Amino acid sequence: DADVTQTPRNRITKTGKRIMLECSQTKGHDRMYWYRQDPGLGLRLIYYSFDVKDINKGEISDGYSVSRQAQAKFSLSLESAIPNQTALYFCATSDFRRSLTGGADTQYFGPGTRLTVL
Amino acid sequence: AQKITQTQPGMFVQEKEAVTLDCTYDTSDPSYGLFWYKQPSSGEMIFLIYQGSYDQQNATEGRYSLNFQKARKSANLVISASQLGDSAMYFCAMREGPRGSTLGRLYFGRGTQLTVWP
Repeated sequence: DADVTQTPRNRITKTGKRIMLECSQTKGHDRMYWYRQDPGLGLRLIYYSFDVKDINKGEISDGYSVSRQAQAKFSLSLESAIPNQTALYFCATSDFRRSLTGGADTQYFGPGTRLTVL
Repeated sequence: AQKITQTQPGMFVQEKEAVTLDCTYDTSDPSYGLFWYKQPSSGEMIFLIYQGSYDQQNATEGRYSLNFQKARKSANLVISASQLGDSAMYFCAMREGPRGSTLGRLYFGRGTQLTVWP
């Protein structure tokens, strides 16, 4: 089973609809992230969370909100979807504790959710 | 200014040959980490290799090695003995600050599309 799962994998919705993307992880990592990928632009950070009580905005948080329901779950919501939010969305996790012992704080990505807003 | 620059939108290499994918970075922080990810056509982001700014040796992971030239602020990925399955988009990314930094985020380049031909 995948360590980082995202649901749904694909979603087509209409302008103005509310939509939630969900991320779950079994890696036991404390940090979780949401990125979006647009063609030719690489990945950009939307929100990140260092633990259940810690939520931080990334560089493109406008139009999005998040919820960290548990250490293993991090959801991204689009309150009123618009067409320029059409993108590939990735959840990622990393382990802060491992970084304290000299390990790399590598971010591991879920499979992505392809969202289309019509 | 771009934190990560990948100047090669596309690269072609023959199977079994080596290929170098370029990455330059921009930071004034003495502590940082550099990552390479692979994104095949299926869309997932696969971690390949990590280099810390204070690491004395260039990182290697199987057929992947990172040519780290700190003074030139470059972190090129070298893939030896290319295989058809190496055809994918490759992203360079940087974390500013020490491991586990509260800054947390990764800055991504725009990627290089590698095509391996038989």
